[in-house]
Amino acid sequence: GNSVTQMEGPVTLSEEAFLTINCTYTATGYPSLFWYVQYPGEGLQLLLKATKADDKGSNKGFEATYRKETTSFHLEKGSVQVSDSAVYFCALSNAGNMLTFGGGTRLMVKP
Amino acid sequence: DGGITQSPKYLFRKEGQNVTLSCEQNLNHDAMYWYRQDPGQGLRLIYYSQIVNDFQKGDIAEGYSVSREKKESFPLTVTSAQKNPTAFYLCASIPHGRDYGYTFGSGTRLTVV
Repeated sequence: GNSVTQMEGPVTLSEEAFLTINCTYTATGYPSLFWYVQYPGEGLQLLLKATKADDKGSNKGFEATYRKETTSFHLEKGSVQVSDSAVYFCALSNAGNMLTFGGGTRLMVKP
Repeated sequence: DGGITQSPKYLFRKEGQNVTLSCEQNLNHDAMYWYRQDPGQGLRLIYYSQIVNDFQKGDIAEGYSVSREKKESFPLTVTSAQKNPTAFYLCASIPHGRDYGYTFGSGTRLTVV
Protein backbone atom coordinates (compact mmCIF):
# COMPACT_ATOMS: atom_id res chain seq x y z
CA GLY A 1 0.00 0.00 0.00
CA ASN A 2 0.90 3.67 0.00
CA SER A 3 2.70 5.34 2.88
CA VAL A 4 4.44 8.64 3.65
CA THR A 5 7.10 9.14 6.29
CA GLN A 6 8.14 12.56 7.56
CA MET A 7 10.78 13.59 10.01
CA GLU A 8 9.39 14.07 13.49
CA GLY A 9 9.30 17.52 14.92
CA PRO A 10 9.33 19.97 16.27
CA VAL A 11 11.94 21.60 14.11
CA THR A 12 13.15 24.80 15.77
CA LEU A 13 15.12 27.34 13.74
CA SER A 14 16.21 30.93 14.03
CA GLU A 15 14.89 33.45 11.54
CA GLU A 16 16.77 33.39 8.20
CA ALA A 17 18.03 29.83 8.76
CA PHE A 18 17.86 27.18 6.04
CA LEU A 19 15.01 24.70 6.31
CA THR A 20 14.81 21.07 5.24
CA ILE A 21 11.92 18.79 6.17
CA ASN A 22 12.46 15.26 4.95
CA CYS A 23 9.70 13.23 3.31
CA THR A 24 9.97 9.76 1.82
CA TYR A 25 7.21 7.65 0.36
CA THR A 26 6.26 4.13 -0.61
CA ALA A 27 3.89 3.68 -3.53
CA THR A 28 3.39 1.63 -6.65
CA GLY A 29 3.50 3.35 -9.99
CA TYR A 30 3.95 7.09 -10.31
CA PRO A 31 2.16 9.05 -7.59
CA SER A 32 1.67 12.78 -7.43
CA LEU A 33 3.31 14.42 -4.41
CA PHE A 34 2.17 17.36 -2.30
CA TRP A 35 3.17 19.57 0.61
CA TYR A 36 0.45 21.13 2.73
CA VAL A 37 0.81 23.76 5.47
CA GLN A 38 -1.45 24.16 8.50
CA TYR A 39 -1.38 27.37 10.54
CA PRO A 40 -2.73 27.23 14.12
CA GLY A 41 -6.48 26.69 14.28
CA GLU A 42 -6.89 26.47 10.52
CA GLY A 43 -7.37 23.89 7.82
CA LEU A 44 -4.63 22.67 5.53
CA GLN A 45 -3.52 24.74 2.54
CA LEU A 46 -1.79 23.33 -0.51
CA LEU A 47 1.76 24.70 -0.53
CA LEU A 48 3.21 23.02 -3.61
CA LYS A 49 2.99 19.89 -5.70
CA ALA A 50 4.84 17.79 -8.29
CA THR A 51 3.18 15.29 -10.55
CA LYS A 52 6.08 13.47 -12.18
CA ALA A 53 9.68 12.49 -11.53
CA ASP A 54 12.24 15.34 -11.46
CA ASP A 55 9.51 17.99 -11.30
CA LYS A 56 10.19 20.80 -8.85
CA GLY A 57 7.25 22.35 -7.04
CA SER A 58 7.73 25.84 -5.62
CA ASN A 59 5.70 28.48 -3.82
CA LYS A 60 6.40 31.33 -1.35
CA GLY A 61 10.13 30.51 -1.33
CA PHE A 62 9.55 26.83 -0.56
CA GLU A 63 10.73 24.16 -2.98
CA ALA A 64 10.57 20.37 -3.25
CA THR A 65 11.85 18.07 -6.00
CA TYR A 66 10.23 14.74 -6.89
CA ARG A 67 13.06 12.21 -6.64
CA LYS A 68 11.89 8.83 -7.85
CA GLU A 69 15.27 7.15 -7.42
CA THR A 70 15.25 7.93 -3.69
CA THR A 71 11.42 8.04 -3.32
CA SER A 72 11.72 11.42 -1.65
CA PHE A 73 10.11 14.85 -1.76
CA HIS A 74 12.01 16.95 0.77
CA LEU A 75 10.77 20.47 1.52
CA GLU A 76 13.35 23.28 1.55
CA LYS A 77 13.46 27.02 2.09
CA GLY A 78 16.56 29.14 2.00
CA SER A 79 15.61 31.67 4.68
CA VAL A 80 12.70 31.03 7.04
CA GLN A 81 10.62 33.71 8.71
CA VAL A 82 8.67 33.71 11.95
CA SER A 83 5.49 33.67 9.84
CA ASP A 84 6.51 30.24 8.45
CA SER A 85 5.85 28.68 11.86
CA ALA A 86 3.23 26.01 11.17
CA VAL A 87 2.74 22.28 10.72
CA TYR A 88 3.80 20.86 7.35
CA PHE A 89 2.30 17.69 5.86
CA CYS A 90 3.72 15.66 3.00
CA ALA A 91 1.18 13.65 0.98
CA LEU A 92 0.87 11.47 -2.09
CA SER A 93 -1.92 10.64 -4.51
CA ASN A 94 -1.91 7.46 -6.50
CA ALA A 95 -4.58 5.76 -8.56
CA GLY A 96 -7.86 7.36 -7.52
CA ASN A 97 -8.44 10.60 -5.65
CA MET A 98 -7.47 9.74 -2.11
CA LEU A 99 -4.40 11.30 -0.53
CA THR A 100 -2.12 9.50 1.89
CA PHE A 101 -0.63 11.90 4.47
CA GLY A 102 2.50 11.81 6.55
CA GLY A 103 2.24 12.51 10.26
CA GLY A 104 3.13 16.20 9.96
CA THR A 105 6.18 18.17 11.10
CA ARG A 106 5.85 21.21 13.34
CA LEU A 107 8.19 24.10 12.46
CA MET A 108 8.92 26.79 15.02
CA VAL A 109 10.90 29.83 13.89
CA LYS A 110 12.31 32.13 16.55
CA PRO A 111 13.13 35.80 15.96
CA ASP B 1 -14.75 32.75 -4.84
CA GLY B 2 -15.09 28.99 -4.74
CA GLY B 3 -14.19 27.06 -1.67
CA ILE B 4 -15.27 24.80 1.15
CA THR B 5 -17.24 26.14 4.06
CA GLN B 6 -17.33 24.31 7.37
CA SER B 7 -19.66 25.36 10.13
CA PRO B 8 -19.72 26.02 12.93
CA LYS B 9 -16.11 26.88 13.70
CA TYR B 10 -16.57 25.88 17.35
CA LEU B 11 -19.09 23.37 18.67
CA PHE B 12 -19.81 22.12 22.15
CA ARG B 13 -21.53 18.81 22.79
CA LYS B 14 -23.00 17.44 25.95
CA GLU B 15 -22.55 13.81 26.88
CA GLY B 16 -25.02 11.59 25.01
CA GLN B 17 -25.86 14.19 22.37
CA ASN B 18 -25.63 13.83 18.62
CA VAL B 19 -24.21 16.80 16.73
CA THR B 20 -23.89 17.50 13.01
CA LEU B 21 -21.00 19.29 11.38
CA SER B 22 -21.68 21.02 8.09
CA CYS B 23 -19.45 20.92 5.01
CA GLU B 24 -20.48 22.72 1.81
CA GLN B 25 -18.42 23.22 -1.36
CA ASN B 26 -19.11 25.27 -4.48
CA LEU B 27 -16.14 23.93 -6.44
CA ASN B 28 -18.13 21.30 -8.33
CA HIS B 29 -15.78 18.67 -6.89
CA ASP B 30 -16.79 15.04 -7.11
CA ALA B 31 -15.21 13.55 -4.01
CA MET B 32 -15.45 14.74 -0.41
CA TYR B 33 -13.70 13.59 2.76
CA TRP B 34 -13.90 13.94 6.53
CA TYR B 35 -10.78 13.80 8.68
CA ARG B 36 -10.23 13.95 12.41
CA GLN B 37 -7.16 15.63 13.88
CA ASP B 38 -6.21 15.30 17.53
CA PRO B 39 -3.80 17.78 19.18
CA GLY B 40 -0.29 17.37 17.84
CA GLN B 41 -1.38 14.50 15.64
CA GLY B 42 -1.81 13.82 11.96
CA LEU B 43 -5.03 13.28 10.01
CA ARG B 44 -7.24 10.21 10.33
CA LEU B 45 -9.88 9.45 7.71
CA ILE B 46 -13.45 9.07 9.01
CA TYR B 47 -15.62 8.79 5.87
CA TYR B 48 -15.40 9.66 2.22
CA SER B 49 -17.73 9.96 -0.74
CA GLN B 50 -16.73 9.71 -4.39
CA ILE B 51 -20.21 10.37 -5.77
CA VAL B 52 -23.65 11.50 -4.69
CA ASN B 53 -25.64 8.94 -2.69
CA ASP B 54 -22.56 6.81 -2.05
CA PHE B 55 -19.98 6.87 0.73
CA GLN B 56 -17.41 4.57 2.33
CA LYS B 57 -15.99 4.14 5.80
CA GLY B 58 -12.49 5.32 6.49
CA ASP B 59 -10.13 4.16 9.21
CA ILE B 60 -12.10 5.45 12.22
CA ALA B 61 -15.78 5.44 11.17
CA GLU B 62 -17.21 4.01 14.41
CA GLY B 63 -19.44 6.52 16.17
CA TYR B 64 -19.86 8.71 13.08
CA SER B 65 -22.36 8.86 10.23
CA VAL B 66 -22.57 10.81 6.97
CA SER B 67 -24.88 11.48 4.04
CA ARG B 68 -24.29 12.70 0.50
CA GLU B 69 -27.65 13.72 -0.91
CA LYS B 70 -26.21 16.61 -2.92
CA LYS B 71 -22.89 17.04 -4.66
CA GLU B 72 -22.21 20.23 -2.72
CA SER B 73 -22.88 18.91 0.77
CA PHE B 74 -21.33 16.21 2.97
CA PRO B 75 -22.48 16.61 6.60
CA LEU B 76 -20.91 14.58 9.39
CA THR B 77 -22.88 13.48 12.45
CA VAL B 78 -20.97 12.67 15.60
CA THR B 79 -23.20 10.28 17.51
CA SER B 80 -23.35 9.47 21.20
CA ALA B 81 -21.57 6.21 20.36
CA GLN B 82 -18.37 8.16 19.73
CA LYS B 83 -16.82 8.05 23.19
CA ASN B 84 -14.04 10.55 22.65
CA PRO B 85 -15.27 13.11 20.13
CA THR B 86 -13.23 16.11 21.25
CA ALA B 87 -11.05 16.92 18.23
CA PHE B 88 -10.58 19.18 15.23
CA TYR B 89 -12.61 18.02 12.22
CA LEU B 90 -11.56 18.81 8.68
CA CYS B 91 -13.55 18.45 5.48
CA ALA B 92 -11.86 18.25 2.08
CA SER B 93 -12.85 17.87 -1.55
CA ILE B 94 -11.14 17.05 -4.81
CA PRO B 95 -12.13 16.97 -8.48
CA HIS B 96 -11.76 13.79 -10.46
CA GLY B 97 -8.12 12.97 -11.13
CA ARG B 98 -5.05 12.43 -8.99
CA ASP B 99 -2.99 15.51 -9.78
CA TYR B 100 -4.97 18.22 -8.04
CA GLY B 101 -4.73 17.56 -4.34
CA TYR B 102 -7.40 18.32 -1.80
CA THR B 103 -9.01 21.63 -0.99
CA PHE B 104 -9.67 21.84 2.74
CA GLY B 105 -12.21 23.72 4.79
CA SER B 106 -11.13 25.76 7.81
CA GLY B 107 -12.24 23.11 10.26
CA THR B 108 -14.64 22.67 13.18
CA ARG B 109 -13.36 22.29 16.71
CA LEU B 110 -15.68 20.02 18.70
CA THR B 111 -15.49 19.92 22.48
CA VAL B 112 -17.45 17.69 24.85
CA VAL B 113 -18.63 19.54 27.94
